[in-house]
Amino acid sequence: SQELEQSPQSLIVQEGKNLTINCTSSKTLYGLYWYKQKYGEGLIFLMMLQKGGEEKSHEKITAKLDEKKQQSSLHITASQPSHAGIYLCGADSSNYQLIWGAGTKLIIKP
Amino acid sequence: EAGVAQSPRYKIIEKRQSVAFWCNPISGHATLYWYQQILGQGPKLLIQFQNNGVVDDSQLPKDRFSAERLKGVDSTLKIQPAKLEDSAVYLCASGPGPNYGYTFGSGTRLTVV
Repeated sequence: SQELEQSPQSLIVQEGKNLTINCTSSKTLYGLYWYKQKYGEGLIFLMMLQKGGEEKSHEKITAKLDEKKQQSSLHITASQPSHAGIYLCGADSSNYQLIWGAGTKLIIKP
Repeated sequence: EAGVAQSPRYKIIEKRQSVAFWCNPISGHATLYWYQQILGQGPKLLIQFQNNGVVDDSQLPKDRFSAERLKGVDSTLKIQPAKLEDSAVYLCASGPGPNYGYTFGSGTRLTVV
């Protein structure tokens, strides 16, 4: 079965600094989603990547899917307190199922 | 476009009591998921519906959990009786399927005491 591994598990970053979160799949990714979650709340959709080498940006967040479609990275530039939360990557599996990484907890230090 | 609606937002019950959660997906979305998310972990799929049929309920603890999707629209998830380890956030999501994304509700935070 396909698995998603996220790294790091948690991250503490000084406000204004850049950071990167990685998501690695055990199998080829056919649809990779990045979501953000505030503690105890629902998931907010950030971006979806499908094609090898694809890169998308929204405000200060950029997500990339590598050419082999087995790894994705999420990069935040000039981090702000509003970026704090849990970042989850999800992928389409068979039977329309979504599988998930365990999440990366991001803390922004003022 | 209205989002996925879930209620209640929070619920505190004693162990062995029963509880029900409600989800109203985005209109037209055929696929509906219920997830359980324990603090510090990624979401765990409980059950997946395609219209009003069950696609996957292999991880649903059927001795205490049940779910239904009425007429392929709204869905309810029930726990009876609840255990302490059921304390979690229960997330509902709907979507048209792969390549088109999924929308999550705000979740119901359940605390079993």
